[in-house]
Order: sequence, then structure tokens, then C-alpha cells
Amino acid sequence: NAGVTQTPKFQVLKTGQSMTLQCAQDMNHNSMYWYRQDPGMGLRLIYYSASEGTTDKGEVPNGYNVSRLNKREFSLRLESAAPSQTSVYFCAIEQGDGFRTRPQHFGDGTRLSIL
Amino acid sequence: QQQVKQSPQSLIVQKGGISIINCAYENTAFDYFPWYQQFPGKGPALLIAIRPDVSEKKEGRFTISFNKSAKQFSLHIMDSQPGDSATYFCAARDSGGGADGLTFGKGTHLIIQP
Repeated sequence: NAGVTQTPKFQVLKTGQSMTLQCAQDMNHNSMYWYRQDPGMGLRLIYYSASEGTTDKGEVPNGYNVSRLNKREFSLRLESAAPSQTSVYFCAIEQGDGFRTRPQHFGDGTRLSIL
Repeated sequence: QQQVKQSPQSLIVQKGGISIINCAYENTAFDYFPWYQQFPGKGPALLIAIRPDVSEKKEGRFTISFNKSAKQFSLHIMDSQPGDSATYFCAARDSGGGADGLTFGKGTHLIIQP
């Protein structure tokens, strides 16, 4: 999706390995989000960043860490991957101007398998 | 605790028919209700949204109906087309809260048969 770029698109890891999922935006939005999508579960919020320099936990933060590197980039790190973290990970952005009825724009996801 | 319940999980509709997807919420602080459409291999994209000060919002073939007292809202797709085949998610948010994300339903896989 234009505006939100996620890398990599696919990744296979072994249990215990670490990796970082990258998200970059070119829409100059303040707020950025990480969701995970599992079959039959919808999307669940992992972490979010309301603005550069701030991060907060969402609904399912355990096993993850995040870094808001600058206004453009928000990364998600798995320190020791577990099979339960097999999922599709989506990064989303939002204008973050105080109006919480703005649309969230999603990237096309990172498909992660943990063996 | 599932705060937004969505049904059905899957739906098959004939071309030209009406597709109806329902959602119910529990948190009375929610006051913004968007619907997202997702095609395979892509991220969700905003389709239409409503606030509880209106009972219905229509955009083209897509209509949201909202029942505040019942804490329910639904998406109607009129004259459904094969190109509407996708997964649909309802969501909810407290617009007066912090910067946290949307609360999503579990999704409905819609298939429109030609």
C-alpha cells in the first residue's frame, strides 16, 4: 500500500531466533501501530507510538519490543521467536492530529513463520 | 474479553444480492465505528465509517446501519459483485481516549458467486 512499506514480506525463523520487522511511512503521520492477524482472530494491537519518541503497549505485547526510530520508522523486534508468534504482522499509520476518527493506513504485511 | 463480536464468520452471496455483516460491541465508550476491507495478500483498507450521532450512513453500494441502544451496527452491501469478495472487519474506538489502536472484530470472509 502506498505510504506504508513493510520489510521483509516473508520470513521463516527457527524457535529462539531473533529478528526485526521494519515499517516506514512517507505520509508524515504522527501515529504508528503494529498489529498481528491470526486466522479467525481479527487484528490485535501489539504496540503503538502516538508520536516520535513515545511507545505504548497494546493488547498483546508479550514477546515483542518496539522502537520508534524517527517520525518515519517504527520497528518491531522479536528477541526469541516462539511458534505462537507465527502470524501476519501489519504496520499501520494514522495522522495523529488529535482527531481519533482519522483512517488508519495499513501496509501489506509481513508473513512470519516460526518453526 | 472480546469487545467487538462479528458475525457471520463466512458468507456466500449470489451476484446482485445483498450482503449483510453484523457487529456488536460492549464498551459504551466506543463512539467511532469503521469497516475495513481486506483482499488476499494486502493490508486492510478503510471502507466506510460511522459515528453514533447518525443511524445510517451510505456510500455508494455500502451502507452502515447503527443501533446505539442495542450496541449493534451492520454493513450492508447492495447489488453485491464478485469484486466485493474479500474479508471484512468491523472495528470500534473511543474517540475521546488516548492514541491507542482500533478494536477489531474477528472478520467475515465474503464470497460473491457469479
